[in-house]
Amino acid sequence: NAGVTQTPKFQVLKTGQSMTLQCAQDMNHEYMSWYRQDPGMGLRLIHYSVGAGITDQGEVPNGYNVSRSTTEDFPLRLLSAAPSQTSVYFCASTRGTYNEQFFGPGTRLTVL
Amino acid sequence: AQSVSQHNHHVILSEAASLELGCNYSYGGTVNLFWYVQYPGQHLQLLLKYFSGDPLVKGIKGFEAEFIKSKFSFNLRKPSVQWSDTAEYFCAVRPTTSGTYKYIFGTGTRLKVLA
Repeated sequence: NAGVTQTPKFQVLKTGQSMTLQCAQDMNHEYMSWYRQDPGMGLRLIHYSVGAGITDQGEVPNGYNVSRSTTEDFPLRLLSAAPSQTSVYFCASTRGTYNEQFFGPGTRLTVL
Repeated sequence: AQSVSQHNHHVILSEAASLELGCNYSYGGTVNLFWYVQYPGQHLQLLLKYFSGDPLVKGIKGFEAEFIKSKFSFNLRKPSVQWSDTAEYFCAVRPTTSGTYKYIFGTGTRLKVLA
C-alpha cells in the first residue's frame, strides 16, 4: 500500500491564484481530513469527509473547498490564494470512526 | 470549546535523560487519546493510542503514556531519550460523541536531544 499520498510537495502561488492540492489513499478508509500546520498552532482541521459525497467544515474552512467523489480521493481547492494561507497542508485518513489517523507527507504552500 | 493543551513548547534534553511531556484536554465525555511524532521533514506518525482499559499504554520506540481521567491528562514518557528522538510531538484527542468526527490537536512540543 502507498498509504496516503499528496501532490504537489511544494507550491508557490501569487495572491489571487487558485489551485488544487491532491490527496489520495489506497486503504479504503471512509474518513479523510485536511489540516493546516502553522508554527505554534499545531494542526487545525480545515474540512473533513465521512464518505464519498459527504463533506463538512472543520475549524478553519474559509477560503477552501473540498469534494469527495470517490473513496480514494479528497482534493482541497484554494479558490483565491491569500498570504494567510501560507502553510503546510496535511491530508489524513482513518478507518472507522475512532481509530488513529494516517497522514500524508504534506504540501508546503507559499502564497506571495 | 474543546481544547488540548501542551504546556511545554520546547524541551531540550541530553541523551539518556528521562522525558515527560504534558498533555491536558478539556472535554467531559469519553475520549480516545493519541500521541503523534513528526520527525524533521516528515509527516506525522502514530506513537501510541488509548481507547480503553489499562490507562498505561506502551507505544513504539520505548514511549509510554498514562491516562489519568481525573486530571484529564495523557502525559507521554520515555525513561531514556536518544538523539534520534529529536522531533515534534503532538497530543490529539478524539471525543467519542456520536455524530462527530473531529480530532483536536495540541500545539505541539519540540524536543531537541543533545548528543
